[in-house]
Amino acid sequence: GESVGLHLPTLSVQEGDNSIINCAYSNSASDYFIWYKQESGKGPQFIIDIRSNMDKRQGQRVTVLLNKTVKHLSLQIAATQPGDSAVYFCAENKGDYKLSFGAGTTVTVRA
Amino acid sequence: NAGVTQTPKFRILKIGQSMTLQCTQDMNHNYMYWYRQDPGMGLKLIYYSVGAGITDKGEVPNGYNVSRSTTEDFPLRLELAAPSQTSVYFCASRPVSTDTQYFGPGTRLTVL
Repeated sequence: GESVGLHLPTLSVQEGDNSIINCAYSNSASDYFIWYKQESGKGPQFIIDIRSNMDKRQGQRVTVLLNKTVKHLSLQIAATQPGDSAVYFCAENKGDYKLSFGAGTTVTVRA
Repeated sequence: NAGVTQTPKFRILKIGQSMTLQCTQDMNHNYMYWYRQDPGMGLKLIYYSVGAGITDKGEVPNGYNVSRSTTEDFPLRLELAAPSQTSVYFCASRPVSTDTQYFGPGTRLTVL
């Protein structure tokens, strides 16, 4: 079935560098995407979202890019900090009020 | 607001036992969800509810039951626990006005 997936299960980044986390989706009809951050032992926390009528959306130190042509979205974190170490999930709106989640990318920030 | 709260935080069950995972939200959200998260995996939807008295199955409903008698509460029931139900369970809610779901802290369940 159609689903959301992430390209890499792990990402190691130097503190202060920018991080890029990728996600591919297969349902071209999806119109809404969300990025969540999950710290160890906690529930997922909303980071940023984007609708399919947009290509880019910026938040505080985070940017989400959506490329509908290749069905790809990415999360960019500027000046990565130790507190950014977590698992990051992308999710897409499947309709009927439901979200479909990818498996997640574990980001580790090196001091 | 406390947001979405879940109890208990941890629980160990023996095979065949039953239990109820509690979920409460104080944001007056219509929609509520139960997910399970297995190690290294994403979240899989068990059940969801679009309002009091209305529930529906998600991807992995077998072995679980839910009820929604109030807007605030959405308990998840395991009737005959099996080792395959060892997982972390998350409850989430969202208002009508947005697709963004807000998650509770989770319940870590082990079935031995």
